[in-house]
Amino acid sequence: SQTIHQWPATLVQPVGSPLSLECTVEGTSNPNLYWYRQAAGRGLQLLFYSVGIGQISSEVPQNLSASRPQDRQFILSSKKLLLSDSGFYLCAWSQREEGEQFFGPGTRLTVL
Amino acid sequence: DAKTTQPPSMDCAEGRAANLPCNHSTISGNEYVYWYRQIHSQGPQYIIHGLKNNETNEMASLIITEDRKSSTLILPHATLRDTAVYYCIVRPFHQGFNKFYFGSGTKLNVKP
Repeated sequence: SQTIHQWPATLVQPVGSPLSLECTVEGTSNPNLYWYRQAAGRGLQLLFYSVGIGQISSEVPQNLSASRPQDRQFILSSKKLLLSDSGFYLCAWSQREEGEQFFGPGTRLTVL
Repeated sequence: DAKTTQPPSMDCAEGRAANLPCNHSTISGNEYVYWYRQIHSQGPQYIIHGLKNNETNEMASLIITEDRKSSTLILPHATLRDTAVYYCIVRPFHQGFNKFYFGSGTKLNVKP
């Protein structure tokens, strides 16, 4: 069966510090991968998606970037965090030909 | 952007059926209706999806009106663990890639 991992589970970072969140998927190959952010009390906002290694599409301009160095690895990064980057970050995957997205447990980021 | 309308909150007594409505009056012929839920501080969980026929699985039933402009998610015997935010999403099917837009959803409160 397929599983998706995210780490760390929680993170507290000062403003201006770098960020690296990692997501890995097991039990499948060539998945579509996604990064979402959920601000407190809000819906999910799609940040990035990837259909293959090295292929990244950005949904909204922001202080974040994404990379996909391996087929089942998706990384969310920032060089300098802003207070507005605080939120719940979710990674998801889906099969290319199927509809459902499956979400990871999320990382709760607090920028102070 | 989200193309669905849902009530912000609903209450349901434990053991009773929970009927969650969703309006998607501008849905196109190639768009599916998906339902997800998000329990507090967890990643969203896929529930069910459909195109035009009613669907049922081990979690819920999805009733889509004949004109496809609205749908209802039915949890037949709600439990306290079903307390969550429920998202109704319409999404076209694109081969090789899919994208979901999550709105604000309906907060379902199951009460003892």
